[in-house]
Amino acid sequence: EPEVTQTPSHQVTQMGQEVILRCVPISNHLYFYWYRQILGQKVEFLVSFYNNEISEKSEIFDDQFSVERPDGSNFTLKIRSTKLEDSAMYFCASSEPGQGAAQPQHFGDGTRLSIL
Amino acid sequence: KNQVEQSPQSLIILEGKNCTLQCNYTVSPFSNLRWYKQDTGRGPVSLTIMTFSENTKSNGRYTATLDADTKQSSLHITASQLSDSASYICVVTKGTGFQKLVFGTGTRLLVSP
Repeated sequence: EPEVTQTPSHQVTQMGQEVILRCVPISNHLYFYWYRQILGQKVEFLVSFYNNEISEKSEIFDDQFSVERPDGSNFTLKIRSTKLEDSAMYFCASSEPGQGAAQPQHFGDGTRLSIL
Repeated sequence: KNQVEQSPQSLIILEGKNCTLQCNYTVSPFSNLRWYKQDTGRGPVSLTIMTFSENTKSNGRYTATLDADTKQSSLHITASQLSDSASYICVVTKGTGFQKLVFGTGTRLLVSP
């Protein structure tokens, strides 16, 4: 069964450094998402992406965050200048075409980001 | 405020027994309600999705119900197995746009031999 894959599985970065988290969504999917889960807390929506542009973003997704689909297969989340509070598990998800329909979102296994 | 509340927070049951997990939500506008299973260290996996007009949906030993009037949902697990040990997360989709999901805090289920 096709899977969403995320790399790396664990990223350790110094505070203030830039970090890029990578995701390969399922190949025929057109909608892409990033979520984060701080340890012990619930999953939170960050951003949704469709047709090469952001369609929705949460208040968490400030100017320090950006997303890109550079080559038609990878979907990346960049944090420009990391803060301690960015430490979390970051999940990528994708879903099939069918805007407005109850399409399931398929999640990757996440990248654990640790900011020192 | 758009919230999803789940109960109980945690639950221990014996293998082979049934259990029911609860979810109450205040998310508006409502699009659909999903139940996900999340194993430790893994991403959530979709179990069921229900729209406003659906009252019940099954996926193997998992049966979800939805009462859109009272804004409540339940997930019933039949004949539990050790592999059912996981967090079960109720997720409500807000609006009809690009499916922004509002997550509950989850119920941590442990199935004991």
